[in-house]
Amino acid sequence: DTGVSQNPRHKITKRGQNVTFRCDPISEHNRLYWYRQTLGQGPEFLTYFQNEAQLEKSRLLSDRFSAERPKGSFSTLEIQRTEQGDSAMYLCASSSGPTTAYGYTFGSGTRLTVV
Amino acid sequence: AQKVTQAQTEISVVEKEDVTLDCVYETRDTTYYLFWYKQPPSGELVFLIRRNSFDEQNEISGRYSWNFQKSTSSFNFTITASQVVDSAVYFCALSELIQGAQKLVFGQGTRLTINP
Repeated sequence: DTGVSQNPRHKITKRGQNVTFRCDPISEHNRLYWYRQTLGQGPEFLTYFQNEAQLEKSRLLSDRFSAERPKGSFSTLEIQRTEQGDSAMYLCASSSGPTTAYGYTFGSGTRLTVV
Repeated sequence: AQKVTQAQTEISVVEKEDVTLDCVYETRDTTYYLFWYKQPPSGELVFLIRRNSFDEQNEISGRYSWNFQKSTSSFNFTITASQVVDSAVYFCALSELIQGAQKLVFGQGTRLTINP
């Protein structure tokens, strides 16, 4: 069990560029979550997958954001036409069951800076 | 909707003092979980504790203790004999039911600074 892995750890991009982040959950975890944390705030839920199905999306997830989880393994989060307001830490978490009693493990995050 | 309030934005104490971080929550779920996480400057979220809403026993782990009071919807965290290494941002979080899972709703965090 190597934990939840996120890549890259840091990303600096110019406004208007597209970026993609990757999350590898704990191998036996079928549920995967994305959160965003802006400076001085707590993490906020973005979206959730059960296996390959995206079952919940926050209204924070604008049309420029898309997440996928092909084959129910790793997940990617893409942001198109980045804006300065997208600068944040993007956190991924995974769990093995329907409640947090089954564990809820966060990765170390990808810190995005849009310049 | 679920809500978590951490009214203390920043706390600064001198090493070896005891410090309590407050957390108040609102939920419509009958079964829920409460969490505390520590976030050091490196940015990762370090899990400290998870508490089931049916278990109101207070818990102690070394210098850390947690006071869960369902009647006042509070889940406070106390560090006894604080140390410089305890300096971090601390988040309280509450589970919320979504389709087939639970997401976490976080408070805004309390920045704790322990001065030598």
